[in-house]
Amino acid sequence: ELKVEQNPLFLSMQEGKNYTIYCNYSTTSDRLYWYRQDPGKSLESLFVLLSNGAVKQEGRLMASLDTKARLSTLHITAAVHDLSATYFCAVDIRNNDMRFGAGTRLTVKP
Amino acid sequence: NAGVMQNPRHLVRRRGQEARLRCSPMKGHSHVYWYRQLPEEGLKFMVYLQKENIIDESGMPKERFSAEFPKEGPSILRIQQVVRGDSAAYFCASSPLSVGGYEQYFGPGTRLTVT
Repeated sequence: ELKVEQNPLFLSMQEGKNYTIYCNYSTTSDRLYWYRQDPGKSLESLFVLLSNGAVKQEGRLMASLDTKARLSTLHITAAVHDLSATYFCAVDIRNNDMRFGAGTRLTVKP
Repeated sequence: NAGVMQNPRHLVRRRGQEARLRCSPMKGHSHVYWYRQLPEEGLKFMVYLQKENIIDESGMPKERFSAEFPKEGPSILRIQQVVRGDSAAYFCASSPLSVGGYEQYFGPGTRLTVT
């Protein structure tokens, strides 16, 4: 059975601090996606990682993919309150058929 | 280019009634996906459809749930004889192609409440 595991599931950070969210998966895949969801809202695409070693950055967020380790990371640099949300990773298991992790609920405190 | 549209946004049904959820993909997108999200939980894959074809329904409950994506019109997720446990947010997503690393674009969701 495919497993997509995120950790931590809950993360409380101080503004200005750095932290990393991890996404491990159990199947062979070279495509991984990160999404953001605000409370009561839909999902917003953040990053599309299409190959081993892919690294993408947008603002204070940086995502990377290691397909050999079956691991993706989402690194947060100098967190700000606006980053408070739930972050999901999703693994492409075949031809754009994706499975999601349970999500990491991030709270950034002043 | 309008995004993925879902309606209704909120739906209240009594136990035993039927719920019909509609999803219109983004223009030019021929692949539709349905997910269910229980409160405080992640997204559970339900079904993946192309026009007139079900590609993967491995996440669909065996009974009471069905989905279609006809040649014309929106995709429909149908839940018959709803029970309280069906209360959840149901998200639809679409993508343009199945191969090539295209992310899925999500609609606003339909929040189903079963009373």
